[in-house]
Amino acid sequence: QKEVEQDPGPLSVPEGAIVSLNCTYSNSAFQYFMWYRQYSRKGPELLMYTYSSGNKEDGRFTAQVDKSSKYISLFIRDSQPSDSATYLCAMSSYSGNTPLVFGKGTRLSVIA
Amino acid sequence: EAGVVQSPRYKIIEKKQPVAFWCNPISGHNTLYWYLQNLGQGPELLIRYENEEAVDDSQLPKDRFSAERLKGVDSTLKIQPAELGDSAVYLCASSPGTGNEQFFGPGTRLTVL
Repeated sequence: QKEVEQDPGPLSVPEGAIVSLNCTYSNSAFQYFMWYRQYSRKGPELLMYTYSSGNKEDGRFTAQVDKSSKYISLFIRDSQPSDSATYLCAMSSYSGNTPLVFGKGTRLSVIA
Repeated sequence: EAGVVQSPRYKIIEKKQPVAFWCNPISGHNTLYWYLQNLGQGPELLIRYENEEAVDDSQLPKDRFSAERLKGVDSTLKIQPAELGDSAVYLCASSPGTGNEQFFGPGTRLTVL
């Protein structure tokens, strides 16, 4: 079993839909959780960064962390065609410059 | 502010040839990472530098891969000789030295024929 599991999709939704992306993990030491967005032939771009459990909202994006279930989510409201990309979850065990463990990424297409 | 710069963006070589990738991190970022991303996978760490010191290179295949970060700024990743299985995207990232906010470059897409 990999440390971080993420459904690769692809996921296709109509414009304006609410999108839910999820990852599960097995390492209970993970405390820092991130979501990256990666457009085709580009590097990953940091979207959301959270510490421990709870919610964080930034515009149309909401990140949730449930450490008791070892489950994290990213919600995208009012999805737009420009949101079409691969979304990668990433996590690490403590602050500082520690290596991130990434999921495989979920490929999302938002259809106009 | 300029982001992480990588070159070349694309490279096609024949197997057994050498290849080198270059990375210029964001100004002031002391920590530099090289990641490997295979198709349909997330990035996997190859090596991490704190200034000019390699502090985590446990995942770097040292028989054919080498890296350096002279003067603690730019970095070069080299493969010699390249194998077919090395075809992938090589990503460079940097961070300012605190927290986990790593900023990625666009990557170098390597194709080994």
